[in-house]
Amino acid sequence: DVKVTQSSRYLVKRTGEKVFLECVQDMDHENMFWYRQDPGLGLRLIYFSYDVKMKEKGDIPEGYSVSREKKERFSLILESASTNQTSMYLCASTLAGRNIQYFGAGTRLSVL
Amino acid sequence: KNEVEQSPQNLTAQEGEFITINCSYSVGISALHWLQQHPGGGIVSLFMLSSGKKKHGRLIATINIQEKHSSLHITASHPRDSAVYICAVSGGGSQGNLIFGKGTKLSVKP
Repeated sequence: DVKVTQSSRYLVKRTGEKVFLECVQDMDHENMFWYRQDPGLGLRLIYFSYDVKMKEKGDIPEGYSVSREKKERFSLILESASTNQTSMYLCASTLAGRNIQYFGAGTRLSVL
Repeated sequence: KNEVEQSPQNLTAQEGEFITINCSYSVGISALHWLQQHPGGGIVSLFMLSSGKKKHGRLIATINIQEKHSSLHITASHPRDSAVYICAVSGGGSQGNLIFGKGTKLSVKP
């Protein structure tokens, strides 16, 4: 079974803090994705990566950066957290050329 | 206009009822996906289809490529089917990007 693991289920941070969200997959997938999910807006793509050290902006990259130093790990970074970044964050991965995405359990981030 | 539209947004049903959730899209696709998200967050893939119909247990997914429309049916609904159901489309390419609908929140009452 494919496993996508997000480091935290719940996280509470203060405005201005630097926040790291970690995602690890164990199936040697090339592609990894970070989404945020908000009521009424659905899933929106923040960044994705199709290879180590490669990254592409999604629909809402502002205020976020990412890092992919190893194939299995994709990190989302909030350089200076703001209250409007309070959301559910979901990581996913997929094999190159395959469309089925495997999701992590999500991290519910609250920025106070 | 969103590229993937789902209806209804919210749906409440009694246990045992037949349920239909609809999805329309306006872009060219290589496949359409139905996903399920239970309270607590995790999302699982239910179906990926590019034509016709697929069935898994009490769940049936259909797609009409000409009409750019798909339906997800649940027969003999049960309270454990309560979840958010998300339609997504993929346009091909090696990166696997999906375009998501906003989801349909289903509540099945006992």
